[in-house]
Amino acid sequence: DAGVIQSPRHEVTEMGQEVTLRCKPISGHDYLFWYRQTMMRGLELLIYFNNNVPIDDSGMPEDRFSAKMPNASFSTLKIQPSEPRDSAVYFCASSFPAPGLAGGVSTDTQYFGPGTRLTVL
Amino acid sequence: AQKVTQAQTEISVVEKEDVTLDCVYETRDTTYYLFWYKQPPSGELVFLIRRNSFDEQNEISGRYSWNFQKSTSSFNFTITASQVVDSAVYFCALKSSDDRGSTLGRLYFGRGTQLTVWP
Repeated sequence: DAGVIQSPRHEVTEMGQEVTLRCKPISGHDYLFWYRQTMMRGLELLIYFNNNVPIDDSGMPEDRFSAKMPNASFSTLKIQPSEPRDSAVYFCASSFPAPGLAGGVSTDTQYFGPGTRLTVL
Repeated sequence: AQKVTQAQTEISVVEKEDVTLDCVYETRDTTYYLFWYKQPPSGELVFLIRRNSFDEQNEISGRYSWNFQKSTSSFNFTITASQVVDSAVYFCALKSSDDRGSTLGRLYFGRGTQLTVWP
């Protein structure tokens, strides 16, 4: 089965340019997550969707970042305008939650894509 | 507050040595899940294992084993007879309710441990 697919794998751009990262979740998964990984801050959750609807975008750094999920098989993360401090690896992950034990938090496993390494010059 | 601490930033061993990666977590929840992910030099995050808070049985999968102890809030990972291919960054993660108490929960990652296995 195909895993989470991300494109491009590498992106080099100049400050001020618009950058669009793409993600295709695993078929049948109805949760999609965007993470950012940097040396300084580690892995950070930026935003996640359920059934194409954004649920929590509190991790999105600022208005320059936006994410959309127009359908169950595609999501984008856009940065406009990009800045050098946006340089990072951006991961997309998807999951299919199941009810948790004793009514607690759901027992899903997130599966990650290969990541997009973004460099903003 | 939910938190995962991986105190070992880097570990180096020689091939065939056993190595244990430590993970300590904090959560208010009584139901939660613990994960280990591997990030090899190629960069992808690979899921290794998930355990729930009610199951403290140790688990073994080939050369990998996990020791979950609620009394010390630890979920340590041991690689027996390490190999060069085990060289990677290993992340421990906690799935717990977020600040809003959502039952979906969130993954809280540690900062990772860089394991280098020398031939």
